[in-house]
Amino acid sequence: EDQVTQSPEALRLQEGESSSLNCSYTVSGLRGLFWYRQDPGKGPEFLFTLYSAGEEKEKERLKATLTKKESFLHITAPKPEDSATYLCAVQAGETSGSRLTFGEGTQLTVNP
Amino acid sequence: DAGITQSPRHKVTETGTPVTLRCHQTENHRYMYWYRQDPGHGLRLIHYSYGVKDTDKGEVSDGYSVSRSKTEDFLLTLESATSSQTSVYFCAASATSGYGYTFGSGTRLTVV
Repeated sequence: EDQVTQSPEALRLQEGESSSLNCSYTVSGLRGLFWYRQDPGKGPEFLFTLYSAGEEKEKERLKATLTKKESFLHITAPKPEDSATYLCAVQAGETSGSRLTFGEGTQLTVNP
Repeated sequence: DAGITQSPRHKVTETGTPVTLRCHQTENHRYMYWYRQDPGHGLRLIHYSYGVKDTDKGEVSDGYSVSRSKTEDFLLTLESATSSQTSVYFCAASATSGYGYTFGSGTRLTVV
């Protein structure tokens, strides 16, 4: 069974204080690891897809990295508008129909 | 990105009544999904579709059915609503395996 665990559950930062969110996974044959951002009352918004260990992707203040067992979402000099819940999901090789298995998310709050 | 429209956005219904939630996409994506999101559980897959009239169960499919008669529409039916089905329901679509999903804005369903 595919499993995705995100930590911490909640993170509170001061504006400009860089940090990282963790996503550890157990799957049979990773096909892709996905990061999403979710604002209150809205659907998740796609951020990144990572396909192989060593891969990195960046978007503004966010940088996602991937190893064979986990992924990190690094947030550099965050701003209050980065406050959201960040979700990690995996797609496994034995999972049909491109289904994703999601973690429970990390709720990030950035204080001004 | 696929435009995903969910209706209704909010619904209150009584225990034992049937309920149908609708998802409409405008980008002709092959795959569509229904998830529910609950505190402590994250996003869990209910049913998904990999083409017109082709559907399969997810991890929490009991008490739910789906239909997809057209590429653009994916319906979720709660056959006899129970209080445990009070949740936020998200529809998503993707073009192909390995691509990130695009999510709708969600339907908040309350069963009283």
